[in-house]
Amino acid sequence: GAGVSQSPSNKVTEKGKDVELRCDPISGHTALYWYRQRLGQGLEFLIYFQGNSAPDKSGLPSDRFSAERTGESVSTLTIQRTQQEDSAVYLCASSLVYTSLAKNIQYFGAGTRLSVL
Amino acid sequence: AQKVTQAQTEISVVEKEDVTLDCVYETRDTTYYLFWYKQPPSGELVFLIRRNSFDEQNEISGRYSWNFQKSTSSFNFTITASQVVDSAVYFCALSEAGTGNQFYFGTGTSLTVIP
Repeated sequence: GAGVSQSPSNKVTEKGKDVELRCDPISGHTALYWYRQRLGQGLEFLIYFQGNSAPDKSGLPSDRFSAERTGESVSTLTIQRTQQEDSAVYLCASSLVYTSLAKNIQYFGAGTRLSVL
Repeated sequence: AQKVTQAQTEISVVEKEDVTLDCVYETRDTTYYLFWYKQPPSGELVFLIRRNSFDEQNEISGRYSWNFQKSTSSFNFTITASQVVDSAVYFCALSEAGTGNQFYFGTGTSLTVIP
């Protein structure tokens, strides 16, 4: 596709429910990243994928958070038993490769704004 | 420790004024990249520039210029003759070879250009 696409753009859910956030990276980009941005804050790294593998999951806040990627394309970030502190914008980015510093320009989607009531 | 520090949380300037956004980074790697991204009210981060650690030449692109100084570990961003459309949050970021190219973002500087 032309850019990184995220869906839904907005999600309102009740505390305790599970949510799935989707990211479609730029075609051909092997690296994919998830970030969380709380209101008025910077970007908090969550996880990245190189192909379908996630070598670094250190940023996931708790075991309620998980992510997967299939076909070296679409990725889904799942938050189980949502809490109010999960409310934030979740941003996805992709880049050509992860292992090459020279090619690692991240291109971002518009994000999913999650509100947990 | 914070790898990227943007000490200015919010800046307001009047249209046509020049403004400089500060970015200070911390790394022990000799190979790294520095980035600036713009996040307009629509929310999508827009890539502005990338500089590698071996190139300290300043760069100018239209009204934008960047001053990279390794001696002070700074990568400052100047907007000349600011316009209302420049109003956004600007993020500085670091990617270093030693940590597997993970990106470290600063907390951002919110710029408001007043007409």
